[in-house]
Amino acid sequence: AAGVIQSPRHLIKEKRETATLKCYPIPRHDTVYWYQQGPGQDPQFLISFYEKMQSDKGSIPDRFSAQQFSDYHSELNMSSLELGDSALYFCASSRTPRGTQYFGPGTRLLVL
Amino acid sequence: QQQVKQSPQSLIVQKGGISIINCAYENTAFDYFPWYQQFPGKGPALLIAIRPDVSEKKEGRFTISFNKSAKQFSLHIMDSQPGDSATYFCAASGGTSYGKLTFGQGTILTVHP
Repeated sequence: AAGVIQSPRHLIKEKRETATLKCYPIPRHDTVYWYQQGPGQDPQFLISFYEKMQSDKGSIPDRFSAQQFSDYHSELNMSSLELGDSALYFCASSRTPRGTQYFGPGTRLLVL
Repeated sequence: QQQVKQSPQSLIVQKGGISIINCAYENTAFDYFPWYQQFPGKGPALLIAIRPDVSEKKEGRFTISFNKSAKQFSLHIMDSQPGDSATYFCAASGGTSYGKLTFGQGTILTVHP
């Protein structure tokens, strides 16, 4: 069965650089979620989109922005990167806004 | 503050034993309680989930017990296997933020052969 696709899988950036993470949801899933997971931590909700509109917002820094496109893929844009942004970033998708969330393999971001 | 509290932080069981992980929540608006399994470097994978209209749900070796009045729920893994060794997260969502999963701190389960 098709799963959530995230790219890139690994990313190394310098402080103050920008990064763009991409997420391709499971086909026919219209809701996308972004989570950040620090080392040894639980995933923290960042933001979600339903039908290309922001549906909920969590602890996402102002330096980050995200959007969902007409083909339902989503991008998380991160600017002025800080060392503390180093983490695993997961995208999840669901068939409906209240549906089961299926997680992608994650993007491991390292900020040097 | 941590809205979903999970215990224990780590758990060691012998093959064939029962693994029990507990979670407690504060927000009475939560109405969806999934459990996720995560292997190192991988994304969380849904194991089993429950809604508060039932007190127990079983799928294979995995059972969720739910106590609405105590605001607690637990995961039982029967006949634990070394392949079950992973980090387990409980989570909850509901109310106006029904899509936002709030996770517990995670339990590192090790099953010895």
